[in-house]
Amino acid sequence: GAGVSQSPRYKVAKRGQDVALRCDPISGHVSLFWYQQALGQGPEFLTYFQNEAQLDKSGLPSDRFFAERPEGSVSTLKIQRTQQEDSAVYLCASSLHRGPTDTQYFGPGTRLTVL
Amino acid sequence: AQSVAQPEDQVNVAEGNPLTVKCTYSVSGNPYLFWYVQYPNRGLQFLLKYITGDNLVKGSYGFEAEFNKSQTSFHLKKPSALVSDSALYFCAVSHDSNYQLIWGAGTKLIIKP
Repeated sequence: GAGVSQSPRYKVAKRGQDVALRCDPISGHVSLFWYQQALGQGPEFLTYFQNEAQLDKSGLPSDRFFAERPEGSVSTLKIQRTQQEDSAVYLCASSLHRGPTDTQYFGPGTRLTVL
Repeated sequence: AQSVAQPEDQVNVAEGNPLTVKCTYSVSGNPYLFWYVQYPNRGLQFLLKYITGDNLVKGSYGFEAEFNKSQTSFHLKKPSALVSDSALYFCAVSHDSNYQLIWGAGTKLIIKP
């Protein structure tokens, strides 16, 4: 079956622009996660949804970052007034159930470059 | 604070030899441990996980990992390395109080023919 998909795969933004990154999770997956991966580092947690409810947004680095999953499937990560330090790969993952033991399946990521 | 350490930035192994990629962790409560592999320009692919039970876990592509509670380690192993195993490997941990994965910095595995 289809895996997690993300779009766009690459995004170049000028500093100060707003961007929106999309994630299509595996159909039927309850949990959805967003991570940020800087070059040469491991991913870092941004936010977590269980269906449409955003249960944890403790990893969002500033109030310029906003995520939503209004119908419990597709999710959008929005970054307002982008800064150079926002340049990273943004990874989306989904898991079938809710819980810390459930395997997370990752999309290919969106590479954001802020000039 | 919860953390994961991968002490080696890079591991070099000759094709056909056994390989080990090291991972240690620090969490409060029961740890749930995962290994993922990342190929260039591709997403993270799940290899295996330890939840409970047998300390030796077998996963995809012939990989296995051993959970050692006393040493707080979860090293990834393979008996005979292939050139195609060359990639970036990440160890991650979650626990009962937190669904997010906490990641190590990654280890680049290079298998030489």
